[in-house]
Parts: sequence; structure tokens; C-alpha cells
Amino acid sequence: EIVLTQSPGTLSLSPGERATLSCRASESVSSNLGWYQQKPGQAPRLLIYGASNRATGIPDRFSGSGSGTDFTLTISRLEPEDFVMYYCQQYGGSPRTFGQGTKLEMK
Amino acid sequence: EMQLLESGGGLVQPGGSLRLSCAASGFSFSSNGMAWVRQSPGKGLEWVSGVSGSSERTYYTDSVRGRFTVSRDKSKNMVFLEMNSLRTEDTAVYFCAKWDGVGQFWGQGTLVAVSS
Repeated sequence: EIVLTQSPGTLSLSPGERATLSCRASESVSSNLGWYQQKPGQAPRLLIYGASNRATGIPDRFSGSGSGTDFTLTISRLEPEDFVMYYCQQYGGSPRTFGQGTKLEMK
Repeated sequence: EMQLLESGGGLVQPGGSLRLSCAASGFSFSSNGMAWVRQSPGKGLEWVSGVSGSSERTYYTDSVRGRFTVSRDKSKNMVFLEMNSLRTEDTAVYFCAKWDGVGQFWGQGTLVAVSS
């Protein structure tokens, strides 16, 4: 199965700063990659699909880039509600797999 | 408004069975794929099983193949996960999701606890 490795495990930043989260795949998934946000006690919410397409209703401060094995989620200006967990997920191979997550914490 | 509502979770002994249900509304259920994803306490996400929208093909991760069965009832807009021979490592919150490669929309989940 395709292994996704997210880095860093924890990212400490302040509101208003820019966040850059990484996801690396063990083999190419083309552009078949999504990003999710998960708040404590809630279900994941889709942010990005197809590596760079924002899902419906997602603010434009969230952007995705990359293809093949290296992907990035960028949050341009952090809002207080952005300090939660983020996961990547690939759908270029079976089974679908998720990264282990990046926790975005407030400095 | 799209809604997914899971039910059927609970406490079960190792080797036991449970049937999870997910009631869907607010979108064209018949033409959409659906999936089950689980999250063990304090851990990350694991895709478990899925069913395609049109062809009714089913898919499973290796650790549940042969023990879990996914199905759907298009007349009732529901998807099910029949879980047999449950193990302690199956303990998790199970989410139902509208699925097209990615989880476009998720329910709030139902907790399955496997313990003696």
C-alpha cells in the first residue's frame, strides 16, 4: 500500500502567520491527493481534492500544490480556528490511505 | 442540506458482531459512492471499506477483508457495514462518508468498542 508521511508532526505558529504542511507519498499518486481538517470531537472536513482544488465553501486562504510524491497544504494567514489537525489522503492506489496527521498549534 | 447519520455502534466482546447503519439525505444517494473510515482513540484515520455508486463494486482494506461486508439499500438511502469476528484492534469511531476518491462529506461517527 502507499504510505503517506506528513511533516512536521506538530507545527507551532501564531495567528496571522503562514503555515506550510507537507505530505510525501511512498510512490507516485499523480494528483490524486486530498487534504482534510479535523477539529476535536468532529468528523474530518474536506479542504482540497485533486492536490490543488478547494472543496465547496473552503476559504481561499487554504491552497494545495504538488504532484507525484510531494504535496503541500498552505494556509496563507492563520485564523484562531485553524489551529487543529490536518490529514492528507491519497486515491491514486488501493487501498486509500491517510497520512498520520499534522497538529497545528498556537504559539 | 446533506446529512449522514450513523448508528449501530456499541460495546461488543472479541469475536462478536455488529451492524453499522448510515442514513443519507440531501444528495443523490444512488449515483454516489460511499465509504466507511475509522479512527481509533487518539489516532489517525483509516479507510475501511467502500461501495461504488453505479457498479455496486465493493472494496476493503486487508485487515477487514473476509470479516466485514459493506452493502447499500438504495430504496432507503442507507449504507451498512456488517462486522463479524471483531477484534480489539477494531475499536474505533466509524465514520460514514460520501466518497468520490476523497470523503466529500462525513457523518459524525459511531463508536465501536471491542473488549471483554
